Amino acid sequence: SQQGEEDPQALSIQEGENATMNCSYKTSINNLQWYRQNSGRGLVHLILIRSNEREKHSGRLRVTLDTSKKSSSLLITASRAADTASYFCATESPYSGYALNFGKGTSLLVTP
Amino acid sequence: NAGVTQTPKFQVLKTGQSMTLQCAQDMNHNSMYWYRQDPGMGLRLIYYSASEGTTDKGEVPNGYNVSRLNKREFSLRLESAAPSQTSVYFCASSEGTGGTGNTIYFGEGSWLTVV
Repeated sequence: SQQGEEDPQALSIQEGENATMNCSYKTSINNLQWYRQNSGRGLVHLILIRSNEREKHSGRLRVTLDTSKKSSSLLITASRAADTASYFCATESPYSGYALNFGKGTSLLVTP
Repeated sequence: NAGVTQTPKFQVLKTGQSMTLQCAQDMNHNSMYWYRQDPGMGLRLIYYSASEGTTDKGEVPNGYNVSRLNKREFSLRLESAAPSQTSVYFCASSEGTGGTGNTIYFGEGSWLTVV
């Protein structure tokens, strides 16, 4: 069953603002990943954070992981219109075999 | 470098018809996956292949069969299509197996409508 649950389901901001998306999951994990999907396209990997890490940065992306709360957040700083997409968290755990379990996603709209 | 290529891009089927979605990757990856994506449901795993010669069921395998033809190719077959199988199908691949923090690389999707 799906492991991650993103919040909010939809987010609308203006260019230059920061966007924060959250992901909660149910069972212990090995790592958590964030993916991005532009409309009509496949998913693209953004960043991976392992269970023993608390924070990770990649360009304008900042990911945090709190294993005690079983939650993660993705922060996109200084958003651009090109950041408009859906964002998914995906968890890999001992319970999921060899595959990632994806959440339902957060739809981000960045307006000029 | 094409990455993950899946065909066809669009397909309309009548209920009861069969079809095969083809997928190939050129990254020499060991693991391959088929997901379906439905509105409000996110991505759900149908089948996966951890390595050449092996396949395993995912979350929603009913109504589907798969074949790992070789290391590059992983096909998904609908034997008797049903309207509930109307969805967007994504093939994906990764270098290793679970527990190692694999990045998954996705194809561009196949839009399937069953009428």
